[in-house]
Amino acid sequence: NAGVMQNPRHLVRRRGQEARLRCSPMKGHSHVYWYRQLPEEGLKFMVYLQKENIIDESGMPKERFSAEFPKEGPSILRIQQVVRGDSAAYFCASSPQGRTAETQYFGPGTRLLVL
Amino acid sequence: AQKITQTQPGMFVQEKEAVTLDCTYDTSDQSYGLFWYKQPSSGEMIFLIYQGSYDEQNATEGRYSLNFQKARKSANLVISASQLGDSAMYFCAMREPRPGNQFYFGTGTSLTVIP
Repeated sequence: NAGVMQNPRHLVRRRGQEARLRCSPMKGHSHVYWYRQLPEEGLKFMVYLQKENIIDESGMPKERFSAEFPKEGPSILRIQQVVRGDSAAYFCASSPQGRTAETQYFGPGTRLLVL
Repeated sequence: AQKITQTQPGMFVQEKEAVTLDCTYDTSDQSYGLFWYKQPSSGEMIFLIYQGSYDEQNATEGRYSLNFQKARKSANLVISASQLGDSAMYFCAMREPRPGNQFYFGTGTSLTVIP
């Protein structure tokens, strides 16, 4: 049973470009979460999605960031017009049913560097 | 207020000794989950141990145990018989039964095991 997969593992973008980060949850998991980790900090929640629905996006910046989890295919975190402050590690996690007692299984992360 | 507080930015422990990593949390919910994750230098997030707020016994997983003191709102991680491979960042996290069921992470403790 493959774990959570994220690609790319490393992404370099110039200011103003778009970044697309992909996440395939574990098999059987329908709940996906995105987190951002700035250097020397803990993970900060961004968004929680189920298939075709955004459940909670309270941690997402209001502009330039969007996320989707289509019926088919991976979840996508999209950052438009990237700025240097977007440089961070972005982690995706998945869980089977989204219950409080469930652990979330994390992918290896995508390290975004904005030049 | 911080949901999760880890007051030890860095800790050192001698190989084969036990070490306690501190974590306090803040919540008004009666039902919540507490988790510890390990992040080695390679960057992935590895689930270690879980404690539910209604669990009366402290959780244990191999060399990991969670010292859960509900009245003090603390959930310290105890690693027994430290190994060199335990050197990593350790994050305490809490999950509340909100619609988002997101994790709140602490800022982490960097553990170094000395041979």
